Amino acid sequence: DTAVSQTPKYLVTQMGNDKSIKCEQNLGHDTMYWYKQDSKKFLKIMFSYNNKELIINETVPNRFSPKSPDKAHLNLHINSLELGDSAVYFCASSLRTATYSPLHFGNGTRLTVT
Amino acid sequence: QQQVKQSPQSLIVQKGGISIINCAYENTAFDYFPWYQQFPGKGPALLIAIRPDVSEKKEGRFTISFNKSAKQFSLHIMDSQPGDSATYFCAATSAGYSTLTFGKGTMLLVSP
Repeated sequence: DTAVSQTPKYLVTQMGNDKSIKCEQNLGHDTMYWYKQDSKKFLKIMFSYNNKELIINETVPNRFSPKSPDKAHLNLHINSLELGDSAVYFCASSLRTATYSPLHFGNGTRLTVT
Repeated sequence: QQQVKQSPQSLIVQKGGISIINCAYENTAFDYFPWYQQFPGKGPALLIAIRPDVSEKKEGRFTISFNKSAKQFSLHIMDSQPGDSATYFCAATSAGYSTLTFGKGTMLLVSP
C-alpha cells in the first residue's frame, strides 16, 4: 500500500496551459505539504495544510493554487504554466499533533513545460 | 537564521569507505535534526534523526554526530555500499515550527 500517492508521475505540457496534480495519503496524518525540487535537487516548501486549513503559503506565484477537499487529499492546480515551473513536485504528509513527526513524501510528479 | 548549510554538494566514496556529510545551522531554537535519503525517482525518506540532548546517534552503519556549541551536525556512513548512492538532505526544526528547514542536499556516489 502506497502511503502518499500522487498523480500523474510525469506531466509534459506547453507554456500557458493549466494543469493539476493530485495527492492522497492513507496514513491518517493531519497535515499535508507541497514541495518543489529544482534541477539542483533543492527542496523548497510551497504550501502546507492542516486539517484542510492553509497554514503555510511561501512566496509562490498566485498561479499556483492548492486545494484540500479533506485532510487525506491535497491537490495543486497551476495556471498559465511557464518554463520556470519545470521541476519535480512532491506531496508530503505528517502528523502535526505529534512532536517531530517525520515527513512522508510521495514519489513526485515531474513537470516539464515546453 | 532559518538556513541550514550543507556540504559537500557531491561526494564520491569507494565501496567500504566512510562517507561524511556536514551541516551547520544558525537558529538556536532548532532542536530536532533529521536526515533524509532520496533515491532517483523517489521521494525523500527519513533515515535517522537526533535531538541535541545527545552528541551521537547510531543506527546500523549510519551515525549522526552533533556539536551543539558549534551548531553543527554530520552524517557518517560506515562501510559505504553502492546501494547507499543517493542524495542526502539534512534538516532542522523545533517543536514550535510547522515545517522543516532543509539543507541543499549532497549527492553521494559509492563506487564499486
